[in-house]
Amino acid sequence: DQQVKQNSPSLSVQEGRISILNCDYTNSMFDYFLWYKKYPAEGPTFLISISSIKDKNEDGRFTVFLNKSAKHLSLHIVPSQPGDSAVYFCAASPKGGADGLTFGKGTHLIIQP
Amino acid sequence: KAGVTQTPRYLIKTRGQQVTLSCSPISGHRSVSWYQQTPGQGLQFLFEYFSETQRNKGNFPGRFSGRQFSNSRSEMNVSTLELGDSALYLCASSLTGTGGYNEQFFGPGTRLTVL
Repeated sequence: DQQVKQNSPSLSVQEGRISILNCDYTNSMFDYFLWYKKYPAEGPTFLISISSIKDKNEDGRFTVFLNKSAKHLSLHIVPSQPGDSAVYFCAASPKGGADGLTFGKGTHLIIQP
Repeated sequence: KAGVTQTPRYLIKTRGQQVTLSCSPISGHRSVSWYQQTPGQGLQFLFEYFSETQRNKGNFPGRFSGRQFSNSRSEMNVSTLELGDSALYLCASSLTGTGGYNEQFFGPGTRLTVL
């Protein structure tokens, strides 16, 4: 049973527009959430994180929103740039991290010129 | 600051053999976690080592084991390899590990192919 779900395997966005990537989770014990970006043949690169005591965290062009009641988080990228084309993974960790990071299956973001 | 390094980058083995993968974390990081990435299952947590002790373990058989040395470098061992063990094995390091609010930094991975 997938505890972290990214329901869109791919997303195509025009350069300069906003990219919104979504993630849902089922485990109410998760209290720390992260987004990673991955290029082919490379390891995931950390982008941004949020703890459950917040509902928003911003870092430059990247903003993560957390809706605990809906068990939903989203990553907003504004404006989208060609270099943002990659696979984006949502990950979650429970307090204490007993199960390591639980990852979603990823969303392939394609930025079109 | 040097990132997480993993060796070797590519490995081909046959069924029944064993393999050892190595990971050097970012300097100062004491936690090393290992993940397996496959097309079907995605990224799955194997185990985490902190100060030479296994602190957390995922749902993998005992054929998968690891250790951490006093300099925080870590090795992962898979014995009696099966075809299904073909995957990208990723190592991640962090300051305090998954229990705290610290992001994990990943290495480039070791691509293991079992024939």
